[in-house]
Amino acid sequence: EPEVTQTPSHQVTQMGQEVILRCVPISNHLYFYWYRQILGQKVEFLVSFYNNEISEKSEIFDDQFSVERPDGSNFTLKIRSTKLEDSAMYFCASSPTPSYNEQFFGPGTRLTVL
Amino acid sequence: AQSVTQPDIHITVSEGASLELRCNYSYGATPYLFWYVQSPGQGLQLLLKYFSGDTLVQGIKGFEAEFKRSQSSFNLRKPSVHWSDAAEYFCAVGTTDSWGKLQFGAGTQVVVTP
Repeated sequence: EPEVTQTPSHQVTQMGQEVILRCVPISNHLYFYWYRQILGQKVEFLVSFYNNEISEKSEIFDDQFSVERPDGSNFTLKIRSTKLEDSAMYFCASSPTPSYNEQFFGPGTRLTVL
Repeated sequence: AQSVTQPDIHITVSEGASLELRCNYSYGATPYLFWYVQSPGQGLQLLLKYFSGDTLVQGIKGFEAEFKRSQSSFNLRKPSVHWSDAAEYFCAVGTTDSWGKLQFGAGTQVVVTP
């Protein structure tokens, strides 16, 4: 069964460093998303992406964040200068169509900023 | 303000007993409602979804949920739980006015005892 994969499963970085979180969405899906979950808090929407551009982003998704689909299979989230408060589990998701259709989630990348 | 509330942070249930997880939402637009489950080390898996029509929806793994517009609720139920149902359960809401963005509740951790 097709699934969304994410690498790495756990990333440790120093404050101020850049990190790139990688996701491989399901191959025939066209819509991609990033969510995050800070420990003990809700899963929060960060951004949605379609046709090589951002469709919607939350207030969390400031200039420190960017997303890219560098090739036909990967979808990346970059944090330019990490802060302690960026420590969280980051989930990638994809769907064949937006809105009311199922989003398929990856297992997440745990980011720890020291 | 739009919100999704799962009042129960943690529920313990005996194997074979029934389970009900509560979800309440507050949205101005027509909601699309989802229940996701997360097992340790896994991504979020969709259990079931409601868009319109019959307010009682059936999902995978023997789960069902009932949409009650008058109570703004979408509670998840299972008549007889199995040890493998131990996981965290998330209610999520999407709306017609927000393209692909899901808003999640805080989650309910379910522990199953022998």
